[in-house]
Amino acid sequence: EVQLVESGGGLLQPGGSLRLSCAASGFTFNDYWMHWVRQAPGKGLVWVSHINGDGSRITYADSVKGRFTISRDNAKNTLYLQMNSLRAEDTAVYFCARGDGWQFDPWGQGTLVTVSS
Amino acid sequence: QSALTQPGSVSGSPGQSITISCTGTSSDVGAYNYVSWYQQRPGKAPKLMIYDVSNRPSGVSNRFSGSKSGNTASLTISGLQAEDETDYYCSSYTRSRTWVFGGGTKLTVL
Repeated sequence: EVQLVESGGGLLQPGGSLRLSCAASGFTFNDYWMHWVRQAPGKGLVWVSHINGDGSRITYADSVKGRFTISRDNAKNTLYLQMNSLRAEDTAVYFCARGDGWQFDPWGQGTLVTVSS
Repeated sequence: QSALTQPGSVSGSPGQSITISCTGTSSDVGAYNYVSWYQQRPGKAPKLMIYDVSNRPSGVSNRFSGSKSGNTASLTISGLQAEDETDYYCSSYTRSRTWVFGGGTKLTVL
C-alpha cells in the first residue's frame, strides 16, 4: 500500500525555521516526483514546491521562493521541506503528495504549521 | 501564479447532475491537458478524482467525469448522492513549470 506520512509541524514565532519530513512507503520512491501542497485554515489548496526523482529539478511557488527549500533522501525514502523566515501567512496544514504524472496521488494526512507570536 | 477560478458553491438534488467549472488562462488550463480534480472531505487529505482532463483513476465512480474547452475545465457529477457533498478542487500544470489550484467549490446535496 502506498503511504505518505508527514511530520515536523508545530507552533513557532515569526522569523523562525522548521523542517518538515514526509516518509514514503509502498512504492519505488526515486521513480516519482514529489510535491508539497499547503492549506491555510478554512482556505483552499495551494501548491508549494516540487522535486523530481533524483533531485535535479526543483520548482517553487513565488510565495515561498527564497525562503523554503525542498529536498529528498532517496536512501531513506523521505521528502523534506526546510522552511525559513516563516510568516504568519505560512500557517497551514502542509501535505506531501506523490506526483503521479501531472497530478497528485496519493496525499499524506498533513502536518500543521502555526506561525504566531 | 493566480489561482484558477471555481464557483464558491454549487448545489443539486439527489439523482441530478451538477457541473463545477474551473477557469484559467492560456498559460495553464488552456496550455496542456494536465487538469486534475480532487475531492476533499473535512479534516482529510484530498483524493484524486480525475486526471489529464477526463481520465478516472481505478476505484473512482463513473458518475464523475471531466472535460475541457479552451481555458475552462469542468467536473460533472451525475446521479448525485448525499455522499458527494464535500469540497472539490481543480488543478493544472502551467507553462511556468509550476502547478496551480482552483479556490475550491463546496458541493451541497439538497
